[in-house]
Amino acid sequence: GENVEQHPSTLSVQEGDSAVIKCTYSDSASNYFPWYKQELGKGPQLIIDIRSNVGEKKDQRIAVTLNKTAKHFSLHITETQPEDSAVYFCAASISNFGNEKLTFGTGTRLTIIP
Amino acid sequence: GAVVSQHPSRVICKSGTSVKIECRSLDFQATTMFWYRQFPKQSLMLMATSNEGSKATYEQGVEKDKFLINHASLTLSTLTVTSAHPEDSSFYICSARERGVMNEQFFGPGTRLTVL
Repeated sequence: GENVEQHPSTLSVQEGDSAVIKCTYSDSASNYFPWYKQELGKGPQLIIDIRSNVGEKKDQRIAVTLNKTAKHFSLHITETQPEDSAVYFCAASISNFGNEKLTFGTGTRLTIIP
Repeated sequence: GAVVSQHPSRVICKSGTSVKIECRSLDFQATTMFWYRQFPKQSLMLMATSNEGSKATYEQGVEKDKFLINHASLTLSTLTVTSAHPEDSSFYICSARERGVMNEQFFGPGTRLTVL
């Protein structure tokens, strides 16, 4: 089955600087890659996703890049703010009705230092 | 839009009792719902996938007789933890996929279960 690795496990960034989180996946059939933000005691919230027919996607301060050949994808957060502090999870799945379960990475605890 | 609710948000029960957790899609029809378990400082682990009107598909190592899942309508799925024990204490999270929309899952706020 799919295996998703995520690095780093913790990341501290000065407010205003950029943060980058990286994930690798094992199953070349995976073609949907979402990123979730989870605050303490809450459920994950989708912040951005990318499909394998796209190499990069951006939404304001957040961007995701995908390298299908190398089987890795990254989350980039620019101009970080204190409210960006949370745990971030990457995930991968196959676009196939009935077989689309998400495999999650191990998570990255991001701390923004004011 | 795309709001998923869970009830209760927290539950404390005695060992040996059963606990039911509800997951509702509030503004869309969810043909597929997923149940996850998350231990402190760990990632989400998929327990089972449920499709409306059919039996749930459990992940390897998840006891289907212990974690009963019912998805009787397009907006409601329930997870019942039967004969709960302290090791079942965890954060249970559901997600829902909208009918006709591939991949994207919307997550509920989670239920914190503590078994004494």
